[in-house]
Amino acid sequence: GAGVSQTPSNKVTEKGKYVELRCDPISGHTALYWYRQSLGQGPEFLIYFQGTGAADDSGLPNDRFFAVRPEGSVSTLKIQRTERGDSAVYLCASSPDSGGYNEQFFGPGTRLTVL
Amino acid sequence: GEDVEQSLFLSVREGDSSVINCTYTDSSSTYLYWYKQEPGAGLQLLTYIFSNMDMKQDQRLTVLLNKKDKHLSLRIADTQTGDSAIYFCAERSDYKLSFGAGTTVTVRA
Repeated sequence: GAGVSQTPSNKVTEKGKYVELRCDPISGHTALYWYRQSLGQGPEFLIYFQGTGAADDSGLPNDRFFAVRPEGSVSTLKIQRTERGDSAVYLCASSPDSGGYNEQFFGPGTRLTVL
Repeated sequence: GEDVEQSLFLSVREGDSSVINCTYTDSSSTYLYWYKQEPGAGLQLLTYIFSNMDMKQDQRLTVLLNKKDKHLSLRIADTQTGDSAIYFCAERSDYKLSFGAGTTVTVRA
């Protein structure tokens, strides 16, 4: 079956611009997560959705970052007034729910470069 | 807060065993994981261990957990060139995963 997909795979933008990153989770997965992976680092948690609601957005670095999941499936991560420090690979993951050993299935990521 | 540490690099000869070590800090972690990341590919779950276990074996993979010392290791037997990748240790508290910086494993002929 299809895995988690993310678009675009690469995004280059200029400092100060607005970007949207999209995640299509595995069909039927109710839990969705966004992580950010900077060069040479492991992924860092940003936000977790259970269904349509953001159950935990404590990892969002500041109020320039926002994410939505209006119908409980596709999610969009939105970054306003981008800064060079936002450059990273943004990873999306989904899981059937958040219980049990909770295997999170990761997408290939969107590499964001802010010039 | 959570803090997961692992060594950054490991070079191993093909056919030998690889051992990757990790330490974590959150004693309430319920599960611990090993993920593999290959260039251009997403993170792939290799194996996991529940916090009340001290060992888990899955084909060529052996996971050892020392909960007292908060130490986790992954042993790969008979390492192959296809095992060259970055390996991430991760701990889970509730639904959130906290990852180490990754160990780059290079397999040489």
